Order: sequence, then C-alpha cells, then structure tokens
Amino acid sequence: DAGVIQSPRHEVTEMGQEVTLRCKPISGHNSLFWYRQTMMRGLELLIYFNNNVPIDDSGMPEDRFSAKMPNASFSTLKIQPSEPRDSAVYFCASSLQNRASNEQYFGPGTRLTVT
Amino acid sequence: GENVEQHPSTLSVQEGDSAVIKCTYSDSASNYFPWYKQELGKRPQLIIDIRSNVGEKKDQRIAVTLNKTAKHFSLHITETQPEDSAVYFCAASKGGSSASKIIFGSGTRLSIRP
Repeated sequence: DAGVIQSPRHEVTEMGQEVTLRCKPISGHNSLFWYRQTMMRGLELLIYFNNNVPIDDSGMPEDRFSAKMPNASFSTLKIQPSEPRDSAVYFCASSLQNRASNEQYFGPGTRLTVT
Repeated sequence: GENVEQHPSTLSVQEGDSAVIKCTYSDSASNYFPWYKQELGKRPQLIIDIRSNVGEKKDQRIAVTLNKTAKHFSLHITETQPEDSAVYFCAASKGGSSASKIIFGSGTRLSIRP
C-alpha cells in the first residue's frame, strides 16, 4: 500500500489566490482528517469525514476554507482567497475506525507558503 | 469537548537516561490514547497506544501508563538514543465508535544529548 498520498508537496502562492490541496486516503479506510500544523498553534484538526460525510468542521478557521470528499478515494481542502497567515503544513490522515482501532495514518503533508 | 494538556513542552536528556512525558485529558468518556512521534520534516507516526481497559503497555524501550481516575497518561522512554530526538504528541479519543476524532496535545520536543 502506498499510504496516504497528498499533493502538491509544496505550494507557494500569492495572497488572494485560490489554493487546492489534495488527498488520497488508504484504500479501505472509512475516515479522513485534515490537519494544519504551525509552530504557534501546533497540530489542529480542521475537519473530518466518515464514509465521505463531513462529521465535524468546527476546526475550519473561517469561510475561506472549504473541504470536500466526493468519493472514498479523494478529498480536497480549498482556501479562497489565501492569506499569509494560512502558511503552514497541511496534513491529511485516514483511518479505519471500528471497535478495534482508531489508528490514524498521516500523509507526507503539503507545505503551503502564502506571500 | 475534549481537551488534552501535555507537559513539558521541551525536554533534554542525556543519552542513555530515561524520558517521561505527561498528559492529562478532560473527557472521562475518552478511552483510546495514542502517542505519535514526529521527526523533523516528517509526518506524525503512531508509536504506541493504550486503551482504557489497560493500565500499562510496553513495547521494548517505550511504555505508556494510564490512570483513568486522575485522567493522566504518560509516555516513558528508557535507555534513550539519538534517534529518539523528535516531537512527541499525546492524544485522546472516544475510540470504538464509527466516527471519532483524536484530540492532540501540544507536543513535547525531546532532545537527546550525546
């Protein structure tokens, strides 16, 4: 298994531009999580899906952020318009949530820089 | 909602000594407590986890303890080695449900002095 796949690995964009981050979870996993990591705020959960349905988006910072999961093998996190304070590493993670396990497998992350 | 506090934020120990990281959680319904290790520039990876029906779990040089009454859990690393240098995150979750999120602590940056 290739693990969780994220693209792009690095993104540099100018303030005001739209940014789309992509994630392919591990095949067979039923839950997908988007996190943001910065030095100041640590590892923050933005939103998570179970069986492609958004369960909790309380961590999404503002309306500029949106996430979709159109099918079990793909999710996007979009920022429109982007701002310099959005600069961070964005991780996607997936898990097979059942009575036996909640282990989350993280992707390699997307390092976003907004200038 | 759940809140996880982690201490210390930074920890420096001599190679070969032990390191202990402590966490507390607020939601008594939490029953799954994983620990993740994140090396510089890498992704967080699970190193050990414990469920609330167990008080202690050990895997080679790593052990976790859980005190449900006090809502405390700890990570113990013995005979530390340079490759143990990383950021460690504790977390808590209501495991066993079909849709549950993991709440992470703020992380501990562990440095091993040669």
